[in-house]
Amino acid sequence: KNEVEQSPQNLTAQEGEFITINCSYSVGISALHWLQQHPGGGIVSLFMLSSGKKKHGRLIATINIQEKHSSLHITASHPRDSAVYICAVSDYGGSQGNLIFGKGTKLSVKP
Amino acid sequence: EAGVVQSPRYKIIEKKQPVAFWCNPISGHNTLYWYLQNLGQGPELLIRYENEEAVDDSQLPKDRFSAERLKGVDSTLKIQPAELGDSAVYLCASSHLTDLNTGELFFGEGSRLTVL
Repeated sequence: KNEVEQSPQNLTAQEGEFITINCSYSVGISALHWLQQHPGGGIVSLFMLSSGKKKHGRLIATINIQEKHSSLHITASHPRDSAVYICAVSDYGGSQGNLIFGKGTKLSVKP
Repeated sequence: EAGVVQSPRYKIIEKKQPVAFWCNPISGHNTLYWYLQNLGQGPELLIRYENEEAVDDSQLPKDRFSAERLKGVDSTLKIQPAELGDSAVYLCASSHLTDLNTGELFFGEGSRLTVL
């Protein structure tokens, strides 16, 4: 079993829809990261969070430490949101610098 | 301020040839990562530096891969000789690691290697 699991693996949405991407992890963590990768592009950090909720524009990230689960929400989705969204956790049990990555969720938003 | 800078962006070589990638992290970031990313997969750690010390190189194939970060700033990753299976994107990332957590990650654009 992977230590970081994302769902769904692929997601197609219509422009304007509300989107949720989920991330579950099995290790103790010090922080969870949500990352965005456009085709052929580098990776951009969207959020780093260790508790509660963070919001940036149309993006919202939440984390439930007890349930070891995080969600990334996109409100009023737009075709430019099409990208791979990756969840990664900093493993508290191991070295603080170690990051464990999920396999990513490929989002496609149709106009 | 410039982000994480990597070069070259693209490299095509024949198998058995050497190749080197360079990374300049964000100024002040003590932690530097080299990742390998295959198509459709998440990044896989090759090596992590804290300042000039390689603190995790357990996943680095040491028979052909080497890395250095001599002054604790920029870093190079070398493959010699390259094999067909090394074709991938090589990502560099940096962060400021504290006692509490990793810190926000900043990635370079990546170096896409094609081995023919």
